[in-house]
Amino acid sequence: DTEVTQTPKHLVMGMTNKKSLKCEQHMGHRAMYWYKQKAKKPPELMFVYSYEKLSINESVPSRFSPECPNSSLLNLHLHALQPEDSALYLCASSQLAGTGTDTQYFGPGTRLTVL
Amino acid sequence: GDSVTQMEGPVTLSEEAFLTINCTYTATGYPSLFWYVQYPGEGLQLLLKATKADDKGSNKGFEATYRKETTSFHLEKGSVQVSDSAVYFCALSPPAGNNRKLIWGLGTSLAVNP
Repeated sequence: DTEVTQTPKHLVMGMTNKKSLKCEQHMGHRAMYWYKQKAKKPPELMFVYSYEKLSINESVPSRFSPECPNSSLLNLHLHALQPEDSALYLCASSQLAGTGTDTQYFGPGTRLTVL
Repeated sequence: GDSVTQMEGPVTLSEEAFLTINCTYTATGYPSLFWYVQYPGEGLQLLLKATKADDKGSNKGFEATYRKETTSFHLEKGSVQVSDSAVYFCALSPPAGNNRKLIWGLGTSLAVNP
C-alpha cells in the first residue's frame, strides 16, 4: 500500500483565518514533505521532515508553519495567508532509503483558495 | 547544477496512437529517474522509476529506459487511451549527499481524443 491521505480536499479561507492541513501515511516512511503546486506547473518544495525533525525549509514565509506530531502525521498550519497562496498543497512521504534511490509518494492534495 | 528538460506540450493524440514524451537530464553521477502523472483535479502519482543505467521502468503500458549515454529517460506507450489524458512530469533524485529534493521537469500536458 502506497497511500498518503490528506484532509481537507478543498479549503476556502479568508486572509485573517487560521486553518490547518493534515497529512497521514501508514507506510512506515520516515521522511515527509510539503509542496505547493500552481496549475500545470511542477510542485515546489516547501518543507521536509526527516525522522520527525525539520530538515529543509525552502525559505517559506512564516505564515506557513509545519508540524510533525509523530512519524505518521504531518500538519501545515496556515495564518494570515495572501490570495497568491491559493494553490494545490501536496504532501508526500518516502522511506529514507539509500541516497538518490528514495521514492516519494504523494497524496491527493488540498485545493486551497484564499479570498 | 542538476536539471531536467522535458518536451513542451501540449501534446494531442488520437486514441490508440503511439506516445513519446522526451526527457533529458543533467546530473553528476547516477541519479534516480522518475515519471509522475497528474490526472485532472488530482495529486501526483508515481508512474514508473529507474535507479540505474539501462534499467527499464514500466507500469500501465508505459515504459521508460534509463539511458546514461544520452542522459535520457523518454516515456513511451504503444497505444494511448482517452484515460491517459493528464500532465506528465519527469524528475530526478540527485545521487550525492543527503539531498531529498527532487529536480522536476516543467511537465507535458497530454490530451487524447476519441
